[in-house]
Amino acid sequence: NAGVTQTPKFQVLKTGQSMTLQCAQDMNHEYMSWYRQDPGMGLRLIHYSVGAGITDQGEVPNGYNVSRSTTEDFPLRLLSAAPSQTSVYFCASSQLAGAWETQYFGPGTRLLVL
Amino acid sequence: AQTVTQSQPEMSVQEAETVTLSCTYDTSESDYYLFWYKQPPSRQMILVIRQEAYKQQNATENRFSVNFQKAAKSFSLKISDSQLGDAAMYFCAYRTQGGSEKLVFGKGMKLTVNP
Repeated sequence: NAGVTQTPKFQVLKTGQSMTLQCAQDMNHEYMSWYRQDPGMGLRLIHYSVGAGITDQGEVPNGYNVSRSTTEDFPLRLLSAAPSQTSVYFCASSQLAGAWETQYFGPGTRLLVL
Repeated sequence: AQTVTQSQPEMSVQEAETVTLSCTYDTSESDYYLFWYKQPPSRQMILVIRQEAYKQQNATENRFSVNFQKAAKSFSLKISDSQLGDAAMYFCAYRTQGGSEKLVFGKGMKLTVNP
């Protein structure tokens, strides 16, 4: 199993550009989520999904869209990038949407918005 | 809202010695879970250990153990026989059932292991 994969590893955007951060998992996990990590802070939840076709907002959803058309994929879209979205983005998944479930994290995508 | 506090931004330990990382949290929930994650320079988030709030027995995973004090809302991580590979950022995290099941993270603590 590849686990949780994320692409790209690093991206530079100009303000106003759009892009999609890809996340895929091959563990047949129902629950997937996106976090962002800023310097000196822990991770904060952006959006999450408890299954295909179901998504919801987390703690810091503004400026981001998600969709979940398949169990495997959970892309994160930035429609109009802003410098405040410069961050490291992590995708995570777990078998079920339960607090006990171990969340498996991807390697992260580092995004720089100029 | 739940909050997680890691008051020590950095610590260092000599190889083979023991170090304790502190974490406190604030919640009104009675049923929740606590986690310690390790983030090495590769940035990969790795689960180190977890604890159910309803269990009084402290969790242990090889060289890693926790001291869970529910009344004090304290959840410290003890690393025994520290190894160079233990050098990393360590994050304490809280998770409750229902809703987003989001992990609420502390700001992290950088652990340096000196040879």
